[in-house]
Amino acid sequence: GESVGLHLPTLSVQEGDNSIINCAYSNSASDYFIWYKQESGKGPQFIIDIRSNMDKRQGQRVTVLLNKTVKHLSLQIAATQPGDSAVYFCAEGSGTYKYIFGTGTRLKVLA
Amino acid sequence: GAGVSQSPSNKVTEKGKDVELRCDPISGHTALYWYRQSLGQGLEFLIYFQGNSAPDKSGLPSDRFSAERTGGSVSTLTIQRTQQEDSAVYLCASSSTIAGTEAFFGQGTRLTVV
Repeated sequence: GESVGLHLPTLSVQEGDNSIINCAYSNSASDYFIWYKQESGKGPQFIIDIRSNMDKRQGQRVTVLLNKTVKHLSLQIAATQPGDSAVYFCAEGSGTYKYIFGTGTRLKVLA
Repeated sequence: GAGVSQSPSNKVTEKGKDVELRCDPISGHTALYWYRQSLGQGLEFLIYFQGNSAPDKSGLPSDRFSAERTGGSVSTLTIQRTQQEDSAVYLCASSSTIAGTEAFFGQGTRLTVV
């Protein structure tokens, strides 16, 4: 279902390390998934997407992995930088069904 | 415009007053969402419009909240008799129904009820 709580879990990562942010999605019929980044004071911005016919997709320093068996999505950020500090949201969708957004994870990059 | 536009960007209102928040979606986007985000919290779904279909209002927290979407474009979220707990950032997003296209967010309206 939709987010069951609004508390933001926090992931703290040392600068230069890789970050992995996880998301469990709810609808096995969802066929399109998106990761968003929200910096302080701004609206969420698109990072990367993946369709259900793929297991992995790579962008610049980011990789999204999709495991449909367990309905799990992850976002990997390589060589995390201070500018990566933000809240990250996953979203699932299917055709005309509304997008369902996860609660979000706050990423803190430690110097 | 090229993106989702929300107005006002900030709104301070007295407790008990009504407020209207506006969202201009991307032209041609048939789906429109309203979300609420309290300070330091995640996205709370409020309402979803899709074309001419009846809106999904399942996320509206009380009958003080209502939303309209006129002509399938601009949407207004109205909060009546505002309470302090209504203070939050209200985000609007729009998307196309073309499969595999993302939703685009506006910058949000920061509502403060004093």
